[in-house]
Amino acid sequence: ETGVTQSPTHLIKTRGQQVTLRCSSQSGHNTVSWYQQALGQGPQFIFQYYREEENGRGNFPPRFSGLQFPNYSSELNVNALELDDSALYLCASSGGGFGANVLTFGAGSRLTVL
Amino acid sequence: AQSVTQLDSQVPVFEEAPVELRCNYSSSVSVYLFWYVQYPNQGLQLLLKYLSGSTLVESINGFEAEFNKSQTSFHLRKPSVHISDTAEYFCAVHSGGSNYKLTFGKGTLLTVNP
Repeated sequence: ETGVTQSPTHLIKTRGQQVTLRCSSQSGHNTVSWYQQALGQGPQFIFQYYREEENGRGNFPPRFSGLQFPNYSSELNVNALELDDSALYLCASSGGGFGANVLTFGAGSRLTVL
Repeated sequence: AQSVTQLDSQVPVFEEAPVELRCNYSSSVSVYLFWYVQYPNQGLQLLLKYLSGSTLVESINGFEAEFNKSQTSFHLRKPSVHISDTAEYFCAVHSGGSNYKLTFGKGTLLTVNP
């Protein structure tokens, strides 16, 4: 089975720009979550998507938005980038059933905002 | 609200020595607990999990953790570490429900020296 894949792996943007990060979930998984990991910190929950709907959100402003597609892949969009948005963005997928809360993470997209 | 405290930000040890990485959590409901490992410039990999049943859980590479409900702890241990165990370790908690949000600690950097 394929794991979670994310693209791009690295990117550099300037303040005020917009960015789109992409994620393909693990085969058989229907739920996708996004996390932000700042340098030296643990990952922070941004939001989660299930059946193309957002069904949970962390303490992030509306300029962080997302999409989930019928094939369960997902996008994270960040508008009006700020310097503090520099971080590793991790996508995680999970399936249904009892083990649904066991997340499989991708390798991440490292965003640098200058 | 739930939170996770990893009591040590850095733990240096010598190869073949035992190690314990400490994790305490707070939650008002039953929890599921996880340890993830992150190698440099990589995403998170699930090391082990407690969902239910036996309070002692083990990984395939010799780590174990014990869920202690009275002390709200989930400490990670290994009797003899290897150089290859050098990584950042994150403890995480999930309190159930349809939202698969994980709350992570800030991480413990385990450095194994020869």
